[in-house]
Amino acid sequence: DAKTTQPPSMDCAEGRAANLPCNHSTISGNEYVYWYRQIHSQGPQYIIHGLKNNETNEMASLIITEDRKSSTLILPHATLRDTAVYYCIVRVAYGSARQLTFGSGTQLTVLP
Amino acid sequence: DTGVSQDPRHKITKRGQNVTFRCDPISEHNRLYWYRQTLGQGPEFLTYFQNEAQLEKSRLLSDRFSAERPKGSFSTLEIQRTEQGDSAMYLCASTIDPPDEKLFFGSGTQLSVL
Repeated sequence: DAKTTQPPSMDCAEGRAANLPCNHSTISGNEYVYWYRQIHSQGPQYIIHGLKNNETNEMASLIITEDRKSSTLILPHATLRDTAVYYCIVRVAYGSARQLTFGSGTQLTVLP
Repeated sequence: DTGVSQDPRHKITKRGQNVTFRCDPISEHNRLYWYRQTLGQGPEFLTYFQNEAQLEKSRLLSDRFSAERPKGSFSTLEIQRTEQGDSAMYLCASTIDPPDEKLFFGSGTQLSVL
């Protein structure tokens, strides 16, 4: 699976959009971009994933560049409960038994 | 759907003792994963079951570690002769066969080896 690069930490004001970047310049054509987050003392939680089109769900939006070498996770209206470590992961498509490979992630702190 | 349940939440043990953790996955999920997480790092894959079959093991899973999933339901992870380096959060996750590849994680078991 391709490696990812994320900033170690970011701050965001409560109520504003949080934009979390991820670089994955070696991504292959059949690899998806996944985002998980981990709130302190809890297990990781799935947020969203995509292949090449932008995706949106009730939690977030995922914007993938046309060349697929980077992506941005957007939390449209961040709340204090969104303070967590956010992991960007790229992995082979559906049907693979390959495990998720987590990096160190980005610590997002939402400030009041 | 009660989520993935792990027991105990915390375990303190002395070096050299054996410990066992339990994971109860979401009931219809046939895939079960164990991960280990140390402070400041992301989770690292340990092993994976599809139903009762253990299909993949990481090189992190030394001979002192053993995992089972009898009858394809709950799973146990045992560590024999614990070492201080085993201190970590042990996470269990489950999912159902494709096409849904989202992993659902439990809250983990925090192991401290004194």
